[in-house]
Amino acid sequence: DGGITQSPKYLFRKEGQNVTLSCEQNLNHDAMYWYRQDPGQGLRLIYYSQIVNDFQKGDIAEGYSVSREKKESFPLTVTSAQKNPTAFYLCASSIDGGGPDSGANVLTFGAGSRLTVL
Amino acid sequence: GQSLEQPSEVTAVEGAIVQINCTYQTSGFYGLSWYQQHDGGAPTFLSYNALDGLEETGRFSSFLSRSDSYGYLLLQELQMKDSASYFCAVRGLDNYGQNFVFGPGTRLSVLP
Repeated sequence: DGGITQSPKYLFRKEGQNVTLSCEQNLNHDAMYWYRQDPGQGLRLIYYSQIVNDFQKGDIAEGYSVSREKKESFPLTVTSAQKNPTAFYLCASSIDGGGPDSGANVLTFGAGSRLTVL
Repeated sequence: GQSLEQPSEVTAVEGAIVQINCTYQTSGFYGLSWYQQHDGGAPTFLSYNALDGLEETGRFSSFLSRSDSYGYLLLQELQMKDSASYFCAVRGLDNYGQNFVFGPGTRLSVLP
């Protein structure tokens, strides 16, 4: 079955360490996204990518970095510059482009990665 | 830019009907979507409105009025498993139409 796989599901990090969260999809979607969710709050966009080797900053990109070397993969690195990294991280994908009637208006999410900084 | 508002919590009893509202301020968008998220889980897509009016998908319906900058999700015949958070979202016309913006979410509690 097609879907999005995120790993690890739970991750603990010491302050000052960089960590990388994996996101792999086999949906053949061009667009991929990373969102951060804090307890009781909505989703905030960190980065998104519409095509290989290109990505755009979202609303809260500071302290994070991404790469898009393959269509299927969009890893997120949480760097030591991120001051409050403890959160639930969600990767998503969608068809790229298209108007209001296209499948580009639907996001498919992975199961998430919960990062805790000790 | 876009911003969306939702009530933070809604409570209803099993078998009832509940409406979750979403008001928005946006410079333009393709359509309004709704997602369901159970505690600790990932959001899953429920419904989408590209045009004004009502879209029905089983027990769930969604409505959009662009002239009123308003939409809602209607859940009928509530079940305990419907207890979850519900998010409205828009896909903006800026940033090449790939910037999805989410509302803060409404936590629905279904009581027996």
